[in-house]
Amino acid sequence: EVQLVESGGRVVRPGGSLRLSCAASGFTFYDYGMNWVRQAPGKGLEWVSGINWSGGTTAYADSVKGRFTISRDNGETSLYLQMNSLTVEDTALYYCARSGGDSSAYYNEFDYWGQGTLVTVSS
Amino acid sequence: SYDLTQPPAVSVSPGQTARITCSGDALPKQFSFWYQQKPGQAPVLIIYKDRKRPSGIPERFSGSSSGTTVTLTISGVQAEDEADYYCQSADSSRTYVTFGGGTKLTVL
Repeated sequence: EVQLVESGGRVVRPGGSLRLSCAASGFTFYDYGMNWVRQAPGKGLEWVSGINWSGGTTAYADSVKGRFTISRDNGETSLYLQMNSLTVEDTALYYCARSGGDSSAYYNEFDYWGQGTLVTVSS
Repeated sequence: SYDLTQPPAVSVSPGQTARITCSGDALPKQFSFWYQQKPGQAPVLIIYKDRKRPSGIPERFSGSSSGTTVTLTISGVQAEDEADYYCQSADSSRTYVTFGGGTKLTVL
């Protein structure tokens, strides 16, 4: 059974940093691209960042470029999101999502999602 | 970045057909995907590659594509289909992933 379990969300002050983790199990992790997607309270889904199977290709939404860094450890079957210079606009539930399809890229369908970890940026 | 446009809301009576559109310039070149999200739950993939259905998704859900618009059709809508629906695709260079703004389906 595919499982994605996010962790690391908490309350943080504006300007602060946070590292989110996503522990993956039930599939061959290094065969798949992975993504972070967030959802602000009462709002829609927003793609944050994606990474291909090897970590050699990454991409970011304009809203987080230069502040967030996505990475993965295929040996630990884990996905990470380092978040710096946080603002109140970054307050959201952050989901980890697997990119399916017949390639190992990040831009295919998101066929499995975790339950999310809540990041609250507040003074 | 890249934008996908959906209607904010669609309402139908039980048993009727609901159609939710999604428009974007790169849709003729890139596949579209659809998700259903119910309150307090993670999104669930219901359509991939414009018109394919994952296993376990009811046949009443279908997808189609025409030019810069893709459409999610729910035939014989049931009360349990009341949810938010999101389209997703990539830009023409497959660099940015984008979600539409979401459509709230209300079953009257």
